[in-house]
Amino acid sequence: KNEVEQSPQNLTAQEGEFITINCSYSVGISALHWLQQHPGGGIVSLFMLSSGKKKHGRLIATINIQEKHSSLHITASHPRDSAVYICAAGGADGLTFGKGTHLIIQP
Amino acid sequence: DAGITQSPRHKVTETGTPVTLRCHQTENHRYMYWYRQDPGHGLRLIHYSYGVKDTDKGEVSDGYSVSRSKTEDFLLTLESATSSQTSVYFCAISEVSSGGADTQYFGPGTRLTVL
Repeated sequence: KNEVEQSPQNLTAQEGEFITINCSYSVGISALHWLQQHPGGGIVSLFMLSSGKKKHGRLIATINIQEKHSSLHITASHPRDSAVYICAAGGADGLTFGKGTHLIIQP
Repeated sequence: DAGITQSPRHKVTETGTPVTLRCHQTENHRYMYWYRQDPGHGLRLIHYSYGVKDTDKGEVSDGYSVSRSKTEDFLLTLESATSSQTSVYFCAISEVSSGGADTQYFGPGTRLTVL
């Protein structure tokens, strides 16, 4: 059974700061997913990656397969980035999720 | 947005009653999943399906059954609901690539309360 750990659990930052959320997993996987959940509950997939680095706008996700570690970075953070960010590991047989990072960006 | 709907969106029921939640997709994706989300536990896999009539158990499958008679519909049944099954239930769909995994798209969720 894969174990997925995220840190930090809670993060409050000022607008414009560079944000990093970390994720580690215990067992080799097909892919690592980063998800975003806003208050009100909807879950949106941000990235799925199995190697290297992906970038979408101000969001960057990296993964180190050998170290079983991934990071999600937010550059030039904005209050609209406030949400819960969840990493998840797995493949076609379903995902194992971290408990999420609750991010608040203050103006 | 991927075409996924869940019904009902909210339900309150009593302990011991049967409950069925429906997930419907218009994307023709092969894989469908049911997850539950609880404070302190995060999201956990209940059951998943890899095709019509093909299903398998997840991490927290006790007390739940599923059925998939058509590609577009995946049903989750609580045969006799208990208070521990009070949760928010999310359906997800995926079209697995040759690499073994693909993006999962989530439905809007169903909030179930068992009194």
